[in-house]
Amino acid sequence: DAKTTQPTSMDCAEGRAANLPCNHSTISGNEYVYWYRQIHSQGPQYIIHGLKNNETNEMASLIITEDRKSSTLILPHATLRDTAVYYCIVRPRDGGSNYKLTFGKGTLLTVNP
Amino acid sequence: DSGVTQTPKHLITATGQRVTLRCSPRSGDLSVYWYQQSLDQGLQFLIQYYNGEERAKGNILERFSAQQFPDLHSELNLSSLELGDSALYFCASSVSQGQRRTYNEQFFGPGTRLTVL
Repeated sequence: DAKTTQPTSMDCAEGRAANLPCNHSTISGNEYVYWYRQIHSQGPQYIIHGLKNNETNEMASLIITEDRKSSTLILPHATLRDTAVYYCIVRPRDGGSNYKLTFGKGTLLTVNP
Repeated sequence: DSGVTQTPKHLITATGQRVTLRCSPRSGDLSVYWYQQSLDQGLQFLIQYYNGEERAKGNILERFSAQQFPDLHSELNLSSLELGDSALYFCASSVSQGQRRTYNEQFFGPGTRLTVL
């Protein structure tokens, strides 16, 4: 799986957009970008994934650059409950029935009142 | 609530002992994954089962073993426990029957916190 690089930590004011970057310069054509988050000691939670087009769901938006070497997760209106570690994961599109996730250290996002 | 359940929530035991962690996947999910999260190693993949068969192994110690039963629940067995085995153990499930296989997000349980004294 391609390696990802994320900032160790970020701060965001409540109500503002949180933009979390991720570099995955070695991503290959068959790999998706996934985002998960983990709120303190809880199980990780799936947020969103994408291949090459921008994606949006009820939780967040995912912007992937045209060369696919980086992406940004956007939480449009961050709340205190969004304080968590956010993991950017690159994984093959079709791993057969093996879809293990390789977690890095992620970004600790702290949303401040 | 992800639909994945894990028991027990907390487990305190002594070195050298053996414990069993249990996971019930989301209804209909065929694949179960086990992950270990310790302070120094972060979240690490241990092992995966798919419909009762082992499919992938990660950084799982020989003292650890797992299985998936016909009803799809899974157990992770940890033996000859050491202090360093203290960690959060998460189970995740995915791959529902009939689901497109290229979109397999994983749903994580709340974890079992193991403390080895």
